[in-house]
Amino acid sequence: QTVVTQEPSFSVSPGGTVTLTCGLSSGSVSTSYSPSWYQQTPGQAPRTLIYNTNTRSSGVPDRFSGSILGNKAALTITGAQADDESDYYCVLYMGSGIYVFGTGTKVTVL
Amino acid sequence: QLQLQESGPGLVKPSETLSLTCTVSGGSFSSSSYFWGWIRQPPGKGLEWIGSIFYSGSTYYNPSLKSRVAISVDTSKSQFSLKLSSVTAADTAVYYCARSGYYDILTGYTYYFDYWGQGTLVTVSS
Repeated sequence: QTVVTQEPSFSVSPGGTVTLTCGLSSGSVSTSYSPSWYQQTPGQAPRTLIYNTNTRSSGVPDRFSGSILGNKAALTITGAQADDESDYYCVLYMGSGIYVFGTGTKVTVL
Repeated sequence: QLQLQESGPGLVKPSETLSLTCTVSGGSFSSSSYFWGWIRQPPGKGLEWIGSIFYSGSTYYNPSLKSRVAISVDTSKSQFSLKLSSVTAADTAVYYCARSGYYDILTGYTYYFDYWGQGTLVTVSS
């Protein structure tokens, strides 16, 4: 069974930069997996941030950016703000209609 | 702006079938280019993709749930539905519906979840 791994938690200072990653239990993540990223605060539905590796969803600030770093997908928050404190999930498209969510990263801004 | 709304019982007994419906408004549901899907999140845990359906009726399921899941679409009502059979307490979760991809003649297929419902909590308990 495919496992998509993310760091459990990250802490970033206000105004700082943090890079979250999204890896595969076996193999490398490439653009062909159509990596996407979602932000979720407690009690709310996820909010779409990034799709197709690096395309920002409508209304998403440009401090959020997506990329491939080495063998993983990555989400970088540049100039972190207090309201960026959330859980972040990546999703990989495995082909044949199948999606797998990552394990999620809790980001604290302090 | 596309809006999605989940509906269905908030309490289901163990061994019974969980049934939810997602109603889509504010846009074109009856497009031959869209995928529609279900995602769930157990309390305090991460998100899990359950399955998706293409407008044509083709279905795609999480292999770990495939034997218990059925997703269907009713274009006349702009709705798609989820049935999960033989539920246990482990199926207690917030269930979300979402648009899970689309096809564009210029850009091809795009795979991600762009519009989400607000979610509905389903508790499995006797």
